[in-house]
Amino acid sequence: AQSVAQPEDQVNVAEGNPLTVKCTYSVSGNPYLFWYVQYPNRGLQFLLKYITGDNLVKGSYGFEAEFNKSQTSFHLKKPSALVSDSALYFCAVRDRLTGGGNKLTFGTGTQLKVEL
Amino acid sequence: NAGVTQTPKFQVLKTGQSMTLQCAQDMNHEYMSWYRQDPGMGLRLIHYSVGAGITDQGEVPNGYNVSRSTTEDFPLRLLSAAPSQTSVYFCASSYLVTGGVPYEQYFGPGTRLTVT
Repeated sequence: AQSVAQPEDQVNVAEGNPLTVKCTYSVSGNPYLFWYVQYPNRGLQFLLKYITGDNLVKGSYGFEAEFNKSQTSFHLKKPSALVSDSALYFCAVRDRLTGGGNKLTFGTGTQLKVEL
Repeated sequence: NAGVTQTPKFQVLKTGQSMTLQCAQDMNHEYMSWYRQDPGMGLRLIHYSVGAGITDQGEVPNGYNVSRSTTEDFPLRLLSAAPSQTSVYFCASSYLVTGGVPYEQYFGPGTRLTVT
């Protein structure tokens, strides 16, 4: 079985400061990992994914994520936060051994609030 | 290119009523899925399909039916609505996994359902 944990319900950061949104995962094999963002009253939008190779993955809007196999983590980061980054962020995982098309398991989400 | 569309945007049902949530995509995606989003629980997979005529259950399928008669459409039917089905419902689509590598999913804007 695959699972994802996002330990923080909310993260507050000042504009211009670096931000980190945490994610840890559990799979029986090697993972595929994703980050999605949800703005108010909208569907989820894809930010980035880890498939293989370089542990630092770069994505949309200046976001990046670091895959750490030993800590089973995939934290989302941005060097300088913007107020417009305020949204709900979801981490998702797929075990490489899982069948069933493109099934993902999502975390519970972390609300990011960036203040002036 | 409209992407993933969902109708209606909002719906209020009485307990015991039935209804169909519509989902359509114009990207020729083989994989389509339905999620429900509840506070503190993230997104949970209800049903999914890997192509026309093929559907399977996700994590929380009870009380819901799906069918996939065309590549484009993937309706979700509530058979007899219950207050526990009050939620926001998202439809998503993607290309199927190729060579073991999953594609990112595209989400619709959601349907907010209230069952009284």
